Amino acid sequence: DQQVKQNSPSLSVQEGRISILNCDYTNSMFDYFLWYKKYPAEGPTFLISISSIKDKNEDGRFTVFLNKSAKHLSLHIVPSQPGDSAVYFCAASEANAGGTSYGKLTFGQGTILTVHP
Amino acid sequence: KAGVTQTPRYLIKTRGQQVTLSCSPISGHRSVSWYQQTPGQGLQFLFEYFSETQRNKGNFPGRFSGRQFSNSRSEMNVSTLELGDSALYLCASSLAVWGHRNEQFFGPGTRLTVL
Repeated sequence: DQQVKQNSPSLSVQEGRISILNCDYTNSMFDYFLWYKKYPAEGPTFLISISSIKDKNEDGRFTVFLNKSAKHLSLHIVPSQPGDSAVYFCAASEANAGGTSYGKLTFGQGTILTVHP
Repeated sequence: KAGVTQTPRYLIKTRGQQVTLSCSPISGHRSVSWYQQTPGQGLQFLFEYFSETQRNKGNFPGRFSGRQFSNSRSEMNVSTLELGDSALYLCASSLAVWGHRNEQFFGPGTRLTVL
């Protein structure tokens, strides 16, 4: 039972263009969503997050959109750079009634992003 | 501020042995979570510790255990190692501020190979 799904195993983009990575979830209790970037044999690096009370969050070249009714989120990278080439993971967690996120993240399977010069 | 550190970075063990992995969280972070990454199963949650107590647990057998010390440092232990335990074990820490969504920051991982 995969509660977080990244249906595109890979994505190839030209430098300077927009990269759009998608993520779907099934658990309606998920309240907090995060994107991580990962290189082989290294730990994931936190990129950006969004809570369920928002539908958009921006940080520099990275923007995350959340569509709660569709249980879908996406990460936009503009403009894409060759250094962005990595595996991108979407993750989700629940929160308690007080709004504190739990320390259990459920991850998608990842999308390999390749940005060509 | 130093990031999450994990020791050792690489480990080779044989079936039936046990192993202990160590994690030092970012200074001030009170929650430590452990994850296993394998090619087949992806990144899977093992357990979370907060204030020396296990707060959440994933679907792993009892051979996997952990603990947290008063300085928030954490260890995980795997007993009676099996070939399928070969994986990258990742530790993550967060501030765990009440009433907030808390990002988790990951360490570089420990690569465990079971022969």
